Amino acid sequence: NAGVMQNPRHLVRRRGQEARLRCSPMKGHSHVYWYRQLPEEGLKFMVYLQKENIIDESGMPKERFSAEFPKEGPSILRIQQVVRGDSAAYFCASSPPGQGPTTDTQYFGPGTRLTVL
Amino acid sequence: AQSVTQLGSHVSVSEGALVLLRCNYSSSVPPYLFWYVQYPNQGLQLLLKYTSAATLVKGINDFEAEFKKSETSFHLTKPSAHMSDAAEYFCAVSPGFQKLVFGTGTRLLVSP
Repeated sequence: NAGVMQNPRHLVRRRGQEARLRCSPMKGHSHVYWYRQLPEEGLKFMVYLQKENIIDESGMPKERFSAEFPKEGPSILRIQQVVRGDSAAYFCASSPPGQGPTTDTQYFGPGTRLTVL
Repeated sequence: AQSVTQLGSHVSVSEGALVLLRCNYSSSVPPYLFWYVQYPNQGLQLLLKYTSAATLVKGINDFEAEFKKSETSFHLTKPSAHMSDAAEYFCAVSPGFQKLVFGTGTRLLVSP
C-alpha cells in the first residue's frame, strides 16, 4: 500500500517562474492538506481540500497561490511568479473520509523542497 | 486560537537515557493532540495521538505521552533513547475541522 506520493522531491525555479507541486494521496483517502515548512520552523497549514472542493484555505497567501484536487488525478499546489521567500518545504498529507468534525490521522508525504533563485 | 509551545529547540541525551520532550498547548475547546517525528529530508510520521479516550497514550517505538489538562501539557517521553531516535519532533494540536497547528519542533540529539 503506497503512501502519500509527492513530486517532484526537489524543484528549483527562478524568480518570476511558476512552480507546480503534485500530491497523490493514499489509496482510499479523499482528503488532502498542504502545509509549508520554512527553514527552522514548524509546519504551517495552507489548505484543506476534498475532491473538487476547497474546504479551508485560511492558510493560503492571498495572491499567487492556488490549489486544486480534481476528480481524477493528483492534487496540485500552484505558485505563480515565485519569489525568494517562497523557498520552503511543502508537505502534503491525506486522510480517509472523516466522521464529522473530529480529526482523522493525517499521513504525510516526503515533501517537495522548493528553491527559488 | 489554538497553539502549541515546544520548550527547547534542541534536547541532547545519551543513549539509554530518558527522553523528555515538552509540549504545552492552548485551546478553548477539548483538544486533539499529536506528536510527529521527522527524519532528515523525510515527511512526518505519526508517533501517537490523544483524542480524549485515555490520558496516557502509547505510541510507536516505545514513545508515550500524558495529557494533563491542569497543566495544559502533552509531554513526550521514552524510557531509553536509541541512536535511531535522533530526529526532529513536532507537537501539534487540532482545532477541529481537519487542520493541524504545529509547534516549532524540538531536535533530539542522541550521543553514544
